[in-house]
Amino acid sequence: GAGVSQSPSNKVTEKGKDVELRCDPISGHTALYWYRQSLGQGLEFLIYFQGNSAPDKSGLPSDRFSAERTGGSVSTLTIQRTQQEDSAVYLCASSLESGDYEQFFGPGTRLTVL
Amino acid sequence: AQSVTQLDSQVPVFEEAPVELRCNYSSSVSVYLFWYVQYPNQGLQLLLKYLSGSTLVKGINGFEAEFNKSQTSFHLRKPSVHISDTAEYFCAVSDPWEGAQKLVFGQGTRLTINP
Repeated sequence: GAGVSQSPSNKVTEKGKDVELRCDPISGHTALYWYRQSLGQGLEFLIYFQGNSAPDKSGLPSDRFSAERTGGSVSTLTIQRTQQEDSAVYLCASSLESGDYEQFFGPGTRLTVL
Repeated sequence: AQSVTQLDSQVPVFEEAPVELRCNYSSSVSVYLFWYVQYPNQGLQLLLKYLSGSTLVKGINGFEAEFNKSQTSFHLRKPSVHISDTAEYFCAVSDPWEGAQKLVFGQGTRLTINP
């Protein structure tokens, strides 16, 4: 595909359930980023991957949040025991390499926790 | 830590009028600066970026921004807007000394173009 893809596009879950959000970066992009967009907090950085390692996890809001990347490609963001405050749009971006390269964003996954 | 302030949450403008969206950032040290646009139900798209060099940066769709180090500002301008420019605009900063990976965003400005 030409761009960053994310799935699902929408996810509705019940409080306390676990969810997995998936990101497929642009082919050949070594850096991958997760951000969260919510009404109260705006756009927040969550975590960044270079290859399969995550040098910067500083934005993950709690230990209920984790992410992994395999094969230097697909990444999964997992939220355990979801809470209503986790409701947001989760955006993934990728760039050719880390640093000052343009980050290309996917369309996001809208998560609603009931 | 870096922070970004977008002074206007909403800006209504008539079609073909000029527009300026304001952005100020917190740090006086070297920074990279970006403007992104988000059309309804779409992801973010880069409009323009400042890394170094000329303080006047030209981007896509006729937008430009000027880096002003003394004012710590990076305001976005367009001389004549179109209905299709209706969108939310985000200013962002990254720190080259920390590898420039993490973008810190402002709260966004919703630009509405009226016919």
